[in-house]
Amino acid sequence: DIQMTQSPSSVSASVGDRVTIICRASQGISSWLAWYQQKPGKAPKFLIYAASSLQSGVPSRFSGSGSGTDFTLTISSLQPEDFATYYCQQANSFPLTFGGGTKVEIK
Amino acid sequence: EVQLVESGGGLVQPGGSLRLSCAASGFTFSSYWMHWVRQAPGKGLVWVSRINSDVSSTSYADSVKGRFTISRDNAKNTLHLQMNSLRAEDTAVYYCARGVTVGSHFFDYWGQGTLVTVSS
Repeated sequence: DIQMTQSPSSVSASVGDRVTIICRASQGISSWLAWYQQKPGKAPKFLIYAASSLQSGVPSRFSGSGSGTDFTLTISSLQPEDFATYYCQQANSFPLTFGGGTKVEIK
Repeated sequence: EVQLVESGGGLVQPGGSLRLSCAASGFTFSSYWMHWVRQAPGKGLVWVSRINSDVSSTSYADSVKGRFTISRDNAKNTLHLQMNSLRAEDTAVYYCARGVTVGSHFFDYWGQGTLVTVSS
């Protein structure tokens, strides 16, 4: 199974800050990576697919990069509605696996 | 508007069974792979199972293989998860999710989830 490791597990930031979340795969997954946002009590929301493609309707302050084993999700200017937990997910092979999550908290 | 609505969750004793359903609307259900993903209380997301669009192929996480069965009824736009021999560690919110495109394993739409609690 491909292990997905996210860092940090939590980050405290202020509105307007730039936030970067890292996701590492235990083996190469090309660009088969997605990012999701989840707020408490809600279903995950699809943000980015194929490592860097923005899902329709997602604000442009979100961006993704990387390929192979190392990936990043960047929020260029944190907004109040962005405080949530973010998960990466590999779509290269079954079983599909998620990172452990990164909680973005208000500083 | 794409909608996925899960049902069938509840409290069940260890060793018991439960059948989850996911009613789909707003898209051509028969054209998409569908998945189940679960989330234990306070924990992260875990993929459980998938079924392809024409019901010819399924996959399962090792933790549920042999106990859970995914199925779908394309005529009724409904996805199911039959869960047998339930264990305490199966306690979670279960989400159904749509695969982005045929053969793609990203999830673009999710249901609101249904809670399964396995406890005596």
